[in-house]
Order: sequence, then structure tokens, then C-alpha cells
Amino acid sequence: KQEVTQIPAALSVPEGENLVLNCSFTDSAIYNLQWFRQDPGKGLTSLLLIQSSQREQTSGRLNASLDKSSGRSTLYIAASQPGDSATYLCAVAPNAGNNRKLIWGLGTSLAVNP
Amino acid sequence: GAVVSQHPSWVICKSGTSVKIECRSLDFQATTMFWYRQFPKQSLMLMATSNEGSKATYEQGVEKDKFLINHASLTLSTLTVTSAHPEDSSFYICSANPDRGLFYEQYFGPGTRLTVT
Repeated sequence: KQEVTQIPAALSVPEGENLVLNCSFTDSAIYNLQWFRQDPGKGLTSLLLIQSSQREQTSGRLNASLDKSSGRSTLYIAASQPGDSATYLCAVAPNAGNNRKLIWGLGTSLAVNP
Repeated sequence: GAVVSQHPSWVICKSGTSVKIECRSLDFQATTMFWYRQFPKQSLMLMATSNEGSKATYEQGVEKDKFLINHASLTLSTLTVTSAHPEDSSFYICSANPDRGLFYEQYFGPGTRLTVT
């Protein structure tokens, strides 16, 4: 059974720091992996989607990497800003089956302090 | 593109009444939509997969008679919380998988805050 773990659960950093959020999964047979952002009391916004054949994706100050063999993904945020404060969720799409369900981590709550 | 709306954004109802939440894909068709529940400071919990033209598939432990799902068109799914109780108070989020999108691609609505008094 696929399980997704995110470390750390919470992170507080001063503005301007580069930071790394970690996501690990137990079954390397995945279709893709996605990183989402959720602001308090809001829905989710997709940040980056990495297909199983890819090793990384970049969008602005965000870079997500994928190492399927070790069951890990990292989300790198460069030059963090207070506006980056949110919860970041990692979700894995299993390779098997066609029910389209994602397997979710519990998230990392990020606070960037001015 | 790929916008999903939910209505209402928040609702307060009395215990014993029923509440309907709508999820619409505004600019794409979605045969498959998902309903999630989220408790404060916790991750998403998938409740059910909604399929247009067929019965919803509920996750283990979710009462199908309490959480009625109707996916009547390719752009609309509804979740009705029947005979609501205070323990049903939560944040409900829907997502939609575009028919022409990537497999597993999901776009999320802004969520509905339900408070049962």
C-alpha cells in the first residue's frame, strides 16, 4: 500500500532563505507526483507536476525533483517571501489502476517571516 | 483555464437539516470529480469519486446514505449532507479531472466551510 510522508510537518524561516521541503513515498511504481499549495481556508493550487519519466520541474522560484528509485521528491523554494507562507502538499498518482485517486501526504506548514 | 467553483463558500445549518454543496468545472468537462473533507490543520481525506452518469464510489468508512453525491452533467457534481450533525462540520473541497487533461490531473475548488449548530 502506497504511503506518502512529508517532512518537516512545520517550518518557520526568515525571509530570503532558500528552503527544501521533502516528500517520500513507499512504492516507487508511480505515474506522477504533484506538489500543491493551500492557503488557510482555501482550496488547493497545483504548483508542479512531475511525470514518472522526469527528474525535475521548475516554475519561477520553485523547483521540484523526483527520484523514483529512492522514493523521494523535494520542493526547493528559492529566496523565500512572506507570500510563500502556506501549507504545501505532496500527492502521488499510483501506477496501478484507473481510479485516478491521488495518495496524499499530510503537508508541510511553512511560515516565512518578514 | 481549468477553473472549478464551489457554492456556497460557507454555510451554517441547524442539526437535522440537509445541505447541498455544488461543484462546477467552469471551462472544461469532467467525467470524474472528487469530494474531499478536511479537518483543521489536517490533510485532505478523500470521501468519494463522483462519475458522471453512474453511481459514486465511496471510500471505506464514508456513509453513502449520509453523503449523497449526484454527478448529473459533465460540469456539475453535488454533495448533499443529509441530516447534518455537529460532527459533520468541516471544510469540504471538490476537484475535477479534465476529460482532455493528463491522467490524474486535478483542479480544485475553493472549498465550502460547513458549520452545523
